[in-house]
Amino acid sequence: AQKVTQTQTSISVVEKTTVTMDCVYETRDSSYFLFWYKQTASGEIVFLIRQDSYKKENATVGHYSLNFQKPKSSIGLIITATQIEDSAVYFCAMREGDQGGRALIFGTGTTVSVSP
Amino acid sequence: NSKVIQTPRYLVKGQGQKAKMRCIPEKGHPVVFWYQQNKNNEFKFLINFQNQEVLQQIDMTEKRFSAECPSNSPCSLEIQSSEAGDSALYLCASSRGVTSGNTLYFGEGSRLIVV
Repeated sequence: AQKVTQTQTSISVVEKTTVTMDCVYETRDSSYFLFWYKQTASGEIVFLIRQDSYKKENATVGHYSLNFQKPKSSIGLIITATQIEDSAVYFCAMREGDQGGRALIFGTGTTVSVSP
Repeated sequence: NSKVIQTPRYLVKGQGQKAKMRCIPEKGHPVVFWYQQNKNNEFKFLINFQNQEVLQQIDMTEKRFSAECPSNSPCSLEIQSSEAGDSALYLCASSRGVTSGNTLYFGEGSRLIVV
Protein backbone atom coordinates (compact mmCIF):
# COMPACT_ATOMS: atom_id res chain seq x y z
CA ALA A 1 0.00 0.00 0.00
CA GLN A 2 1.23 3.49 -0.76
CA LYS A 3 2.11 5.66 2.19
CA VAL A 4 4.14 8.76 3.01
CA THR A 5 5.46 9.32 6.54
CA GLN A 6 6.94 12.43 8.08
CA THR A 7 7.96 11.67 11.64
CA GLN A 8 9.18 15.13 12.65
CA THR A 9 6.21 17.17 13.84
CA SER A 10 8.09 20.44 14.27
CA ILE A 11 11.57 21.90 13.93
CA SER A 12 12.86 25.25 15.19
CA VAL A 13 15.95 26.88 13.70
CA VAL A 14 17.70 30.21 13.74
CA GLU A 15 17.72 32.10 10.46
CA LYS A 16 20.65 31.67 8.08
CA THR A 17 21.20 28.11 9.27
CA THR A 18 20.30 24.82 7.54
CA VAL A 19 17.25 22.73 8.29
CA THR A 20 16.74 19.12 7.25
CA MET A 21 13.40 17.31 7.16
CA ASP A 22 12.82 13.60 6.82
CA CYS A 23 10.29 11.72 4.72
CA VAL A 24 9.93 8.02 4.00
CA TYR A 25 7.54 6.48 1.54
CA GLU A 26 6.11 3.09 0.66
CA THR A 27 5.26 2.00 -2.83
CA ARG A 28 5.22 -1.14 -4.94
CA ASP A 29 5.66 0.76 -8.18
CA SER A 30 9.04 0.88 -9.82
CA SER A 31 8.27 4.35 -11.15
CA TYR A 32 7.13 7.15 -8.88
CA PHE A 33 7.50 10.86 -8.32
CA LEU A 34 8.26 12.64 -5.07
CA PHE A 35 7.32 16.23 -4.29
CA TRP A 36 7.82 18.73 -1.52
CA TYR A 37 5.35 21.51 -0.88
CA LYS A 38 5.08 24.16 1.78
CA GLN A 39 1.89 25.54 3.24
CA THR A 40 1.97 29.13 4.41
CA ALA A 41 -0.06 30.63 7.22
CA SER A 42 -2.70 31.74 4.71
CA GLY A 43 -3.25 28.13 3.67
CA GLU A 44 -1.63 28.44 0.28
CA ILE A 45 0.28 25.33 -0.78
CA VAL A 46 3.37 26.12 -2.82
CA PHE A 47 5.30 23.58 -4.87
CA LEU A 48 9.01 23.60 -4.01
CA ILE A 49 10.93 20.75 -5.61
CA ARG A 50 10.53 17.25 -7.02
CA GLN A 51 12.51 14.06 -7.51
CA ASP A 52 11.73 11.49 -10.18
CA SER A 53 12.47 7.95 -9.01
CA TYR A 54 14.53 7.07 -12.07
CA LYS A 55 16.92 10.00 -11.56
CA LYS A 56 19.99 9.32 -9.46
CA GLU A 57 21.05 12.93 -8.97
CA ASN A 58 19.51 14.81 -6.07
CA ALA A 59 17.29 17.66 -7.23
CA THR A 60 18.23 21.23 -6.29
CA VAL A 61 16.18 24.40 -6.75
CA GLY A 62 17.42 27.63 -5.23
CA HIS A 63 18.08 27.04 -1.55
CA TYR A 64 16.10 23.79 -1.55
CA SER A 65 17.77 20.46 -2.18
CA LEU A 66 16.81 16.84 -1.76
CA ASN A 67 18.58 13.86 -0.23
CA PHE A 68 17.16 10.95 -2.21
CA GLN A 69 18.09 7.56 -0.78
CA LYS A 70 16.17 5.10 -2.91
CA PRO A 71 17.25 1.90 -1.09
CA LYS A 72 15.88 3.40 2.11
CA SER A 73 12.75 4.83 0.44
CA SER A 74 13.73 8.18 1.83
CA ILE A 75 13.49 11.70 0.41
CA GLY A 76 14.76 14.37 2.77
CA LEU A 77 14.39 18.10 2.17
CA ILE A 78 17.28 20.43 2.99
CA ILE A 79 16.83 24.18 3.21
CA THR A 80 20.05 26.16 3.40
CA ALA A 81 20.44 29.76 4.55
CA THR A 82 16.97 29.80 6.05
CA GLN A 83 14.94 32.99 6.19
CA ILE A 84 12.11 34.03 8.45
CA GLU A 85 9.70 33.58 5.56
CA ASP A 86 10.63 29.89 5.35
CA SER A 87 8.49 29.39 8.44
CA ALA A 88 5.70 27.12 7.20
CA VAL A 89 4.43 23.55 7.21
CA TYR A 90 6.35 21.36 4.79
CA PHE A 91 4.66 18.40 3.14
CA CYS A 92 6.23 15.48 1.37
CA ALA A 93 4.07 13.82 -1.30
CA MET A 94 4.25 10.97 -3.78
CA ARG A 95 2.56 10.01 -7.04
CA GLU A 96 2.94 6.47 -8.22
CA GLY A 97 3.48 5.06 -11.68
CA ASP A 98 2.69 6.74 -14.91
CA GLN A 99 -0.99 5.98 -15.23
CA GLY A 100 -3.48 8.68 -15.77
CA GLY A 101 -5.18 10.42 -12.88
CA ARG A 102 -3.21 9.02 -9.97
CA ALA A 103 -3.72 11.07 -6.82
CA LEU A 104 -0.93 12.73 -4.88
CA ILE A 105 -0.40 11.08 -1.48
CA PHE A 106 0.73 13.38 1.32
CA GLY A 107 2.54 13.03 4.59
CA THR A 108 1.20 14.90 7.61
CA GLY A 109 3.75 17.66 7.46
CA THR A 110 6.61 19.16 9.46
CA THR A 111 6.18 22.62 10.94
CA VAL A 112 9.32 24.72 10.58
CA SER A 113 9.79 27.83 12.68
CA VAL A 114 12.64 30.14 11.74
CA SER A 115 13.55 32.72 14.35
CA PRO A 116 15.85 35.77 14.12
CA ASN B 1 1.05 34.03 -5.76
CA SER B 2 -1.23 31.13 -6.69
CA LYS B 3 -2.35 30.91 -10.26
CA VAL B 4 -5.08 28.52 -9.23
CA ILE B 5 -7.93 30.68 -8.02
CA GLN B 6 -10.33 29.40 -5.40
CA THR B 7 -13.44 31.14 -4.11
CA PRO B 8 -14.69 31.81 -1.56
CA ARG B 9 -11.79 31.79 0.86
CA TYR B 10 -14.12 31.14 3.77
CA LEU B 11 -17.65 29.86 4.12
CA VAL B 12 -19.74 29.15 7.18
CA LYS B 13 -22.71 26.82 6.85
CA GLY B 14 -25.23 25.27 9.16
CA GLN B 15 -25.63 21.52 9.27
CA GLY B 16 -27.76 20.35 6.39
CA GLN B 17 -27.00 23.37 4.24
CA LYS B 18 -25.35 23.27 0.84
CA ALA B 19 -21.80 24.48 0.52
CA LYS B 20 -20.33 25.33 -2.87
CA MET B 21 -16.74 26.12 -3.72
CA ARG B 22 -15.26 27.15 -7.03
CA CYS B 23 -11.88 26.77 -8.67
CA ILE B 24 -10.31 28.28 -11.75
CA PRO B 25 -7.33 26.11 -12.74
CA GLU B 26 -4.10 27.55 -13.99
CA LYS B 27 -4.30 28.50 -17.65
CA GLY B 28 -3.48 25.57 -19.89
CA HIS B 29 -4.07 22.98 -17.16
CA PRO B 30 -6.80 20.54 -18.18
CA VAL B 31 -6.46 18.34 -15.08
CA VAL B 32 -8.08 19.39 -11.81
CA PHE B 33 -7.95 17.72 -8.40
CA TRP B 34 -9.96 18.39 -5.25
CA TYR B 35 -8.58 17.53 -1.82
CA GLN B 36 -9.89 17.93 1.69
CA GLN B 37 -7.35 18.85 4.38
CA ASN B 38 -8.45 18.37 7.98
CA LYS B 39 -7.15 20.05 11.13
CA ASN B 40 -4.62 17.24 11.59
CA ASN B 41 -3.04 18.12 8.22
CA GLU B 42 -4.35 14.93 6.65
CA PHE B 43 -5.13 15.23 2.96
CA LYS B 44 -8.00 13.26 1.48
CA PHE B 45 -8.32 13.01 -2.29
CA LEU B 46 -11.91 13.63 -3.36
CA ILE B 47 -12.14 13.72 -7.14
CA ASN B 48 -10.22 14.65 -10.25
CA PHE B 49 -11.09 15.70 -13.77
CA GLN B 50 -9.49 15.86 -17.13
CA ASN B 51 -11.32 18.66 -18.89
CA GLN B 52 -14.98 17.87 -18.15
CA GLU B 53 -14.53 14.15 -17.51
CA VAL B 54 -14.22 12.57 -14.06
CA LEU B 55 -11.08 10.43 -13.79
CA GLN B 56 -11.41 9.13 -10.24
CA GLN B 57 -13.53 9.84 -7.20
CA ILE B 58 -13.92 8.36 -3.75
CA ASP B 59 -17.16 7.00 -2.31
CA MET B 60 -17.81 10.07 -0.17
CA THR B 61 -17.72 12.21 -3.24
CA GLU B 62 -20.18 9.98 -5.02
CA LYS B 63 -22.77 10.21 -2.26
CA ARG B 64 -22.89 13.69 -0.70
CA PHE B 65 -20.48 15.64 -2.75
CA SER B 66 -20.98 16.74 -6.31
CA ALA B 67 -18.37 18.26 -8.55
CA GLU B 68 -18.04 19.39 -12.11
CA CYS B 69 -15.66 21.17 -14.44
CA PRO B 70 -17.82 22.61 -17.22
CA SER B 71 -16.27 23.96 -20.34
CA ASN B 72 -15.42 27.68 -20.11
CA SER B 73 -16.61 27.92 -16.50
CA PRO B 74 -14.96 27.46 -13.11
CA CYS B 75 -14.83 23.99 -11.64
CA SER B 76 -16.98 23.52 -8.57
CA LEU B 77 -17.29 21.26 -5.58
CA GLU B 78 -20.59 21.22 -3.71
CA ILE B 79 -21.57 19.48 -0.52
CA GLN B 80 -25.28 18.76 -0.75
CA SER B 81 -25.93 18.56 2.99
CA SER B 82 -23.11 19.78 5.20
CA GLU B 83 -22.11 17.84 8.30
CA ALA B 84 -19.85 18.91 11.16
CA GLY B 85 -17.18 16.51 9.94
CA ASP B 86 -17.00 18.37 6.64
CA SER B 87 -15.32 21.32 8.34
CA ALA B 88 -11.95 21.48 6.60
CA LEU B 89 -9.83 23.28 4.05
CA TYR B 90 -10.85 22.31 0.52
CA LEU B 91 -7.98 22.53 -1.90
CA CYS B 92 -8.09 22.63 -5.66
CA ALA B 93 -5.03 21.79 -7.72
CA SER B 94 -4.36 21.71 -11.43
CA SER B 95 -1.73 20.20 -13.70
CA ARG B 96 -0.68 20.26 -17.33
CA GLY B 97 -1.19 16.58 -17.88
CA VAL B 98 -2.81 13.53 -16.46
CA THR B 99 0.24 11.33 -15.91
CA SER B 100 1.96 11.08 -12.54
CA GLY B 101 5.01 13.01 -13.67
CA ASN B 102 2.99 16.20 -13.85
CA THR B 103 3.30 18.53 -10.88
CA LEU B 104 0.13 19.64 -9.13
CA TYR B 105 -0.22 23.34 -8.40
CA PHE B 106 -2.57 24.33 -5.62
CA GLY B 107 -4.81 27.26 -4.84
CA GLU B 108 -5.17 28.89 -1.44
CA GLY B 109 -8.17 26.77 -0.57
CA SER B 110 -11.69 27.36 0.66
CA ARG B 111 -12.10 26.94 4.40
CA LEU B 112 -15.47 25.50 5.32
CA ILE B 113 -16.81 25.75 8.84
CA VAL B 114 -19.98 23.82 9.57
CA VAL B 115 -21.75 25.01 12.72
